[in-house]
Amino acid sequence: DVKVTQSSRYLVKRTGEKVFLECVQDMDHENMFWYRQDPGLGLRLIYFSYDVKMKEKGDIPEGYSVSREKKERFSLILESASTNQTSMYLCASSLRWGGSGSKFYNEQFFGPGTRLTVL
Amino acid sequence: DAKTTQPTSMDCAEGRAANLPCNHSTISGNEYVYWYRQIHSQGPQYIIHGLKNNETNEMASLIITEDRKSSTLILPHATLRDTAVYYCIVRVGLSSGGGADGLTFGKGTHLIIQP
Repeated sequence: DVKVTQSSRYLVKRTGEKVFLECVQDMDHENMFWYRQDPGLGLRLIYFSYDVKMKEKGDIPEGYSVSREKKERFSLILESASTNQTSMYLCASSLRWGGSGSKFYNEQFFGPGTRLTVL
Repeated sequence: DAKTTQPTSMDCAEGRAANLPCNHSTISGNEYVYWYRQIHSQGPQYIIHGLKNNETNEMASLIITEDRKSSTLILPHATLRDTAVYYCIVRVGLSSGGGADGLTFGKGTHLIIQP
């Protein structure tokens, strides 16, 4: 089974702190994603990466950065946490290419989420 | 924007089949129908996807109408653990970007399994 793990389920930080959220997947997926999910706003893409050291901005990258030094690991960094970054953060991964007959055909597999509270 | 329409909520008795409808009248020829669900305080979970043929896996069945404008997710024997928000989305199965495009969820259907 595909497994995506996130370093923490719950995290409480203070305004101005630097925050690291770690995500690891064990299925050799090329694509990795960071989303945040807020009530009434649904799922929003922050950043994604399609290869080691490659990164692309999603819909709401402001206030965030990412790092992908190894294929299995994708880190989300809040350089200076603010209260409006209180949210559920979800990491996902997927194969870069799926083929006909492949079980993994553009599905994304999610981690359990990190609920971050910034005070 | 989500290109699907789903009922806001549904109830189903434990042990019965849960049938969740989804309308996607503007679906394109190269777009698949995907279903995910999200149990409270957990990450979304992939359930099933299909193009035009009906599909079945260990979790559910997906019935797609012949004109592909709507579909139904069927959980054959619902249990209390199936209580979740179910999201129906349409997206290309193999994008030119190699699949590196974000998911967009609508509001989904909150399925409540009653004991």
